[in-house]
Amino acid sequence: AQSVTQPDIHITVSEGASLELRCNYSYGATPYLFWYVQSPGQGLQLLLKYFSGDTLVQGIKGFEAEFKRSQSSFNLRKPSVHWSDAAEYFCAVGGMDSSYKLIFGSGTRLLVRP
Amino acid sequence: DAMVIQNPRYQVTQFGKPVTLSCSQTLNHNVMYWYQQKSSQAPKLLFHYYDKDFNNEADTPDNFQSRRPNTSFCFLDIRSPGLGDAAMYLCATSRGDRDNEKLFFGSGTQLSVL
Repeated sequence: AQSVTQPDIHITVSEGASLELRCNYSYGATPYLFWYVQSPGQGLQLLLKYFSGDTLVQGIKGFEAEFKRSQSSFNLRKPSVHWSDAAEYFCAVGGMDSSYKLIFGSGTRLLVRP
Repeated sequence: DAMVIQNPRYQVTQFGKPVTLSCSQTLNHNVMYWYQQKSSQAPKLLFHYYDKDFNNEADTPDNFQSRRPNTSFCFLDIRSPGLGDAAMYLCATSRGDRDNEKLFFGSGTQLSVL
């Protein structure tokens, strides 16, 4: 079955510290992987996506993610967190056989300490 | 320059009273989606349209219906809202290139059921 697991419900980091949000997926075919960010009361904004090629992808706002097929993971990283990064982060998986559908993880809420 | 517009931003309805949520897009995208997102949970796909072709998810309750009269507009009808239908409803669009091109989300409609 297709699924996405984000094992951390909440993460708190200090401003300026590095960040890593975990994502593991289960997908029968070649996965397409995404990270979205959602501010309170807002829709979702795409941070980055992986379709193929270089397994380290760069996104907006200084975020990057690395696809590791052997670990079925697509962890999101940022070297230095800003207070404005506090939000909910969703990992999602899709693929060519999924009829354009994305399956989302349950999200990780990021809190940033001043 | 909102590209996916959802109205209203907040909707309050009574138990059992039909309600309609609307979504419009200026992107001329082929695919329009409706997601339901309950508090602290992942967005859950209810259905999507590829052009005029309607695709219902297997576990979407019959209480939920959708209409897409033209490319730009899509409506979500909840025939008899229950307390469990209180949620954020997110509309999204994509080109539908079969490579899971980026989804564009609206800001959502927060539905309350009294």
